[in-house]
Amino acid sequence: DSGVTQTPKHLITATGQRVTLRCSPRSGDLSVYWYQQSLDQGLQFLIQYYNGEERAKGNILERFSAQQFPDLHSELNLSSLELGDSALYFCASSVVVTGANVLTFGAGSRLTVL
Amino acid sequence: AQSVTQLDSHVSVSEGTPVLLRCNYSSSYSPSLFWYVQHPNKGLQLLLKYTSAATLVKGINGFEAEFKKSETSFHLTKPSAHMSDAAEYFCVVSDWADKLIFGTGTRLQVFP
Repeated sequence: DSGVTQTPKHLITATGQRVTLRCSPRSGDLSVYWYQQSLDQGLQFLIQYYNGEERAKGNILERFSAQQFPDLHSELNLSSLELGDSALYFCASSVVVTGANVLTFGAGSRLTVL
Repeated sequence: AQSVTQLDSHVSVSEGTPVLLRCNYSSSYSPSLFWYVQHPNKGLQLLLKYTSAATLVKGINGFEAEFKKSETSFHLTKPSAHMSDAAEYFCVVSDWADKLIFGTGTRLQVFP
């Protein structure tokens, strides 16, 4: 157990629907990152939050949004789902260790869009 | 911009033989580099990290990597492969905003 908790583990839904993925970071970690892993795109950075504020944005579609709450958990909202959104979505939290920002990943949420 | 290139998409070795997974990086400044491993249906786990200290970095499970600035490389090695090493390995560079940029991955197969 990495200490980063993601729910749900698996989710199957239909095109056009909306889903919410949830992430609880490791205790004490203030940063949360979201990544998407798909067969054709590999691991893509989506967005980062630090202590409730958006810090960096990557290849996140306009149909996707995220937020980090005061208790530091984060949610990734995916709307108007398309077949191509089927992927494994990872959340990670971080702590600085000897000058490097080390990310700890959750087990992922596997989204299947039918 | 920072990037990493993993030179092999698949590597196959026999159990007990050495492992070499190759990675070249591109960075406009002294980078932080990592290797992560992903076992089937599991999340990503940090193997080791380089942060401008010792150029030879030791990680978990007997893996190590050497930072070579002149060759812009950060290859991952292990003297003797074990069946449990079969997984996907990612070379990763950290950018200025501390977000991780992943390589395309190398799938390691270990045959008995």
